[in-house]
Amino acid sequence: EAGVTQSPTHLIKTRGQQATLRCSPISGHTSVYWYQQALGLGLQFLLWYDEGEERNRGNFPPRFSGRQFPNYSSELNVNALELEDSALYLCASSLLFPSYNEQFFGPGTRLTVL
Amino acid sequence: RKEVEQDPGPFNVPEGATVAFNCTYSNSASQSFFWYRQDCRKEPKLLMSVYSSGNEDGRFTAQLNRASQYISLLIRDSKLSDSATYLCVVNDPTPYSSASKIIFGSGTRLSIRP
Repeated sequence: EAGVTQSPTHLIKTRGQQATLRCSPISGHTSVYWYQQALGLGLQFLLWYDEGEERNRGNFPPRFSGRQFPNYSSELNVNALELEDSALYLCASSLLFPSYNEQFFGPGTRLTVL
Repeated sequence: RKEVEQDPGPFNVPEGATVAFNCTYSNSASQSFFWYRQDCRKEPKLLMSVYSSGNEDGRFTAQLNRASQYISLLIRDSKLSDSATYLCVVNDPTPYSSASKIIFGSGTRLSIRP
């Protein structure tokens, strides 16, 4: 069974540009989570989507946004890129139920902002 | 106080040693707890869930102390392959609650030496 996939693997942008990152969850999983992991830091929760709706978001500015499509895949958009947005962006999927709620992570997209 | 705190380490221990990490959490209403493992430049993967009664999986034992609001991970007879960063995760699984959060600790680095 295919795991969580993310594209692109690497993305290089310049300050002020917009970035779009994509994630396909494991088949049957309805929840998708986005995390930012800056170099040497832990995972910071960005967004949680389930059944096409945003369920929760972390402490990030509004220029971080996303959506979930009917097939449960998801996009993360980062507008007006800043240098400190350079990080590994991880997507994870899970079943919303049961409360076991293991998250399965994709390999990540490494975003570099120049 | 951080919502989830871990000793960043690094813990540098000889092969065969026993090592333990703690992770404290601030929200007494938290209900789900997990340990994830992240190898260098890889995505996190679930190591084990943490149940109220404590649970064991081979050389790994996880425990939850609700009174003191911490979870622990014990690794016995450590192997070179145990070298990784260990992330604790605290999750309030209340569905569709605006208070629902998934919080990763910043991780504890473990290095096993021959």
